[in-house]
Amino acid sequence: EAGVTQSPTHLIKTRGQQATLRCSPISGHTSVYWYQQALGLGLQFLLWYDEGEERNRGNFPPRFSGRQFPNYSSELNVNALELEDSALYLCASSLSGYEQYFGPGTRLTVT
Amino acid sequence: KQEVTQIPAALSVPEGENLVLNCSFTDSAIYNLQWFRQDPGKGLTSLLLIQSSQREQTSGRLNASLDKSSGRSTLYIAASQPGDSATYLCAVRPLYSGGGADGLTFGKGTHLIIQP
Repeated sequence: EAGVTQSPTHLIKTRGQQATLRCSPISGHTSVYWYQQALGLGLQFLLWYDEGEERNRGNFPPRFSGRQFPNYSSELNVNALELEDSALYLCASSLSGYEQYFGPGTRLTVT
Repeated sequence: KQEVTQIPAALSVPEGENLVLNCSFTDSAIYNLQWFRQDPGKGLTSLLLIQSSQREQTSGRLNASLDKSSGRSTLYIAASQPGDSATYLCAVRPLYSGGGADGLTFGKGTHLIIQP
């Protein structure tokens, strides 16, 4: 069974640009979570999507947004990139809030 | 606001030793607690999940316990091997939704090195 997949693996953007990150959950999982792991800050919860709806978000500004498609895959958009957005972005999927399974992450570098 | 603390921050032991990693959390209203390992620059691998009603879970050489009332969990690794070297993360899921509380709250991890 395929695990959670994320693309791209690496992304380099310039300050002020927009970044789009993608996640495909494990087949059958309806919930997708996004987390940010910035150096020195640890893993922080960003967004939770379930059945196509945004269910909750962490303490991040509105320029972090996303959506979940009918096939449960998800996209994270970061607008007006700032240097401190450089981080590893991890996506996880689960069934109804049970165990979360994580993807390999997208490394975003903002220059 | 839930806070998760992991002690020690780093640990280096010789191969073959049994070891214990500690995790504490401030709010006992949790739905479950999960232990993960993370290899450098990689995603997270789920090791064990303990529901709030459970006291422990075992998988191979790993055993995790949960004492919800005291806000503590431990991960016991038996007969450590060099391949166990990684960062171990503890995370809790809140019992109640709302206010950004549905995602997992992570500790900063214990960086474990097993010396051959």
